[in-house]
Amino acid sequence: QVQLQESGPGLVKPSQTLSLTCTVSGGSISSGGYYWSWIRQHPGKGLEWIGYIYYSGSTYYNPSLKSRVTISVDTSKNQFSLKLSSVTAADTAVYYCARGYCSSTSCYVIDWGQGTLVTVSS
Amino acid sequence: QSVLTQPPSVSGAPGQRVTISCTGSSSNIGAGYDVHWYQQLPGTAPKLLIYGNSNRPSGVPDRFSGSKSGTSASLAITGLQAEDEADYYCQSYDSSLSGPPYVVFGGGTKLTVL
Repeated sequence: QVQLQESGPGLVKPSQTLSLTCTVSGGSISSGGYYWSWIRQHPGKGLEWIGYIYYSGSTYYNPSLKSRVTISVDTSKNQFSLKLSSVTAADTAVYYCARGYCSSTSCYVIDWGQGTLVTVSS
Repeated sequence: QSVLTQPPSVSGAPGQRVTISCTGSSSNIGAGYDVHWYQQLPGTAPKLLIYGNSNRPSGVPDRFSGSKSGTSASLAITGLQAEDEADYYCQSYDSSLSGPPYVVFGGGTKLTVL
C-alpha cells in the first residue's frame, strides 16, 4: 500500500509562493505507470485538480492555475513538490498529494495523502 | 461553477437505495471520457469508490455501483447504511479548452442517512 505525506508551511503570506512536498513510501515514483498529483479543497467546498507529474518529469496543469503552478519530482528522494506563486486568500485550502492512474480516457486517483491545510494570510 | 453538475444533497433511510447524478456535456462525459467516483467521510481525505464508470476497487462493497450514459453518469448505493453518510464526488476529463484534456470534478453531493 502506497502512502503519501504532505509537508510544508501551514501559513503563507499574500503574494508569496506556496511550497509543499509530498513524500511517497511503500512504492517508488520512478517505477512508472502512475501520475503524481496535487489536488486542493477550499474550506467547505469541492475538489479542484491542480496538476500532475509523471516520473519522467512530464507535467500537466489545470488551465486555470497553469500560470502560477510548478510541479516537480525528485526520484532520488521519492518526493514530488508543488509551488504556487502569487498566492491570495483564495488559495487557502487543504492541499492533497495523490497517486493516480491515467489512460487515454481519463485519470483517477488511487491513493491520497491525508491533506494539509494552507492558510494565506498576512 | 463546476464543469460536472451534481445535486448538492440527497438523503435516504437505512436500507433504501439512492442515486447521485453527475451531468456533464459533449466536452467531457459525452466525449467518451470515463467517470470516477470518490467518497469523502467527514474530516478525511477522499477515497476512490468507482473507477472507469462502473468498476469497484478491491474492498468497496458491491452496494456501490456506477453507470454512464450519454453526457451523464450515476452512482447508486443500495442497502443504505449509516456509515455511508459522506460527500460524494464524480470526476472525469474535459477537453473544452485548447491543450490536452484536464481533470475535472463535480461539485460534490452530501448524502444524509435519515
